[in-house]
Amino acid sequence: GAGVSQSPSNKVTEKGKDVELRCDPISGHTALYWYRQSLGQGLEFLIYFQGNSAPDKSGLPSDRFSAERTGGSVSTLTIQRTQQEDSAVYLCASSSGADTQYFGPGTRLTVL
Amino acid sequence: AQSVTQPDIHITVSEGASLELRCNYSYGATPYLFWYVQSPGQGLQLLLKYFSGDTLVQGIKGFEAEFKRSQSSFNLRKPSVHWSDAAEYFCAVATTSGTYKYIFGTGTRLKVLA
Repeated sequence: GAGVSQSPSNKVTEKGKDVELRCDPISGHTALYWYRQSLGQGLEFLIYFQGNSAPDKSGLPSDRFSAERTGGSVSTLTIQRTQQEDSAVYLCASSSGADTQYFGPGTRLTVL
Repeated sequence: AQSVTQPDIHITVSEGASLELRCNYSYGATPYLFWYVQSPGQGLQLLLKYFSGDTLVQGIKGFEAEFKRSQSSFNLRKPSVHWSDAAEYFCAVATTSGTYKYIFGTGTRLKVLA
């Protein structure tokens, strides 16, 4: 594809439900990142995948958050038992190694 | 620890006026530095980046930034602002040891007056 795509663009869920957010990186990019953008808090790093290496999960805020990347391409970020403080825009980015990251449009998550 | 500071949360300028957005970073090694712009409801678009070499870098949309190691700064400038430049601007430093991830500043929201 031409760029990084994310789905859904918007997700409204009830507190306690699980949600899955999807990211399709740029074809051929080996690195994939998830960030969270909260109002008034800027962007924070969540998790990083690079090739077949073990992911860097150091930014995940709690064990309710997990992510996987299948076949070195598509990634899914899962949030279990959502809380209101999980409401944010979740951004995915991909890159060709240690180079510029290209961002998707984001998924806006609202937890009621 | 690595950090990025954008001291101005909001900036308002008149169309046609010059612009400077400040960015200061804290990073032990030679940094990779970036400026991104985010228009309402949009993802982040790369304006410019500095990896090495000439400390004055040119970007898209008429923006430029200057890396000043002595001041740990990477300020973004534009000589004449257009109404379409109204957006949020983020400075970021990439960690070059271990995981190549971005540390972002909190952003500067630019308002342009007609």
